[in-house]
Amino acid sequence: EIVLTQSPATLSLSPGDRATLSCRASQSVANYLAWYQQKPGQAPRLLIYGASNRATGVPARFSGSGSGTDFTLTISSLEPEDFAVYFCQQRSSSWTFGQGTKVEI
Amino acid sequence: QVQLVESGGGVVQPGRSLRLSCAASGFAFSRYAMHWVRQSPGKGLEWVTLTSYDESDRQYADSVKGRFTISRDNVKNTLFLEMNSLTTEDTAVYYCARDGDYCTSGRCYLDHWGQGTPVTVSS
Repeated sequence: EIVLTQSPATLSLSPGDRATLSCRASQSVANYLAWYQQKPGQAPRLLIYGASNRATGVPARFSGSGSGTDFTLTISSLEPEDFAVYFCQQRSSSWTFGQGTKVEI
Repeated sequence: QVQLVESGGGVVQPGRSLRLSCAASGFAFSRYAMHWVRQSPGKGLEWVTLTSYDESDRQYADSVKGRFTISRDNVKNTLFLEMNSLTTEDTAVYYCARDGDYCTSGRCYLDHWGQGTPVTVSS
């Protein structure tokens, strides 16, 4: 099973800051990686797929990069609604999720 | 718009069974593969199972293999999860999700999720 490790577990930032979230795979997943956002009491929302493609309606401040085993989700300037938990997920072999990074104020 | 509404969750004793449903609307349900994903309290997401659009391909996480069965009714636009021999480790919110329109090289991602139904396994 491919294990995804996200870091940091918690990111404490202020509105307007740049957020950089990391996801590392235990083996190569090529570019078969997605990022999801989850707010309290809500279902996850797909943000990025194929490592770097934004889903429809996702603001341009969200960007994804990486391939192989190392991936990054960047939020260029945090808006109040961006404070949430972010999960990465691989689709290379079966489906697994990272444990999440909480972006808090 | 796409809607997925789960139901059937509740409190159940260890060793018992439960059947979850997910009613789909707003899209051509019979054309999409569908997943169940669960989230334990305060923990991350765990993929549980997938069915292809016609049930010809069904896959399971090792943690539920042999105990859970995914199925679907493409006439009633409903996805099911039959859960047997439940343990406390199965306590979680269960989400159904669509294997959607965002794909790379034929591998697609979960683009729509329901709000989830909670399952608590406790004596």
